[in-house]
Amino acid sequence: EVQLVQSGGGLVQPGGSLRLSCAASGFTLSSYWMYWVRQVPGKGLVWVSYINNDGGDTKYADSVKGRFTISRDNARDTLYLQMSDLRAEDMGVYYCSRGAFFHALDVWGQGTTVTVSS
Amino acid sequence: EIVLTQSPGTLSLSPGERATLSCRASQTVTLLAWYQQKPGQAPRLLIYGASTRAAGIPDRFSGSGSGTEFTLTISRLEPEDYAVYYCHQHGRSPPFGGGTKVEIK
Repeated sequence: EVQLVQSGGGLVQPGGSLRLSCAASGFTLSSYWMYWVRQVPGKGLVWVSYINNDGGDTKYADSVKGRFTISRDNARDTLYLQMSDLRAEDMGVYYCSRGAFFHALDVWGQGTTVTVSS
Repeated sequence: EIVLTQSPGTLSLSPGERATLSCRASQTVTLLAWYQQKPGQAPRLLIYGASTRAAGIPDRFSGSGSGTEFTLTISRLEPEDYAVYYCHQHGRSPPFGGGTKVEIK
């Protein structure tokens, strides 16, 4: 079965750090661009970051640039999002997703919640 | 930066009725996708490339449009179709629309 299983997340103080992980199974991660998308409960979807197949091309939303780092370990079929200097506005459910069909997001992780609070 | 505006915000319809959801782009879009999201679940890809159904999506879902105007049509609403729908310019820096909630009338 093709799936993405997420881990990480949780409660962190403002200014703190977290690392989200996204493990792929049922397909070869290295064949796909990968994305992180955030959603505040009750609100819409917001693109956070993407990374190309080999990790050589990454991009970030302006709101997280310089604070978040996307990376991947294709040998381990795992995607990461290192989040630092976390702020209240970073809170939400983070989804990893696979880009297929010209980057339409066809497989999604189950989501992981990030809460930033003192 | 492209902005996607979805309308209406909420659509109240009865089972069996036709649903028509709109997505308008601030600039020409070449790749447009639609997703369905139910409470507590991740989004699910329905349509990509404006009109191609993803694997396993029933044929009551159809996408159309080009340029700046796109439409998702659900021909006859089933109970499981009540959800929030998002449009998305799929590409390297993909903005999403704000969503349309389809609720039971």
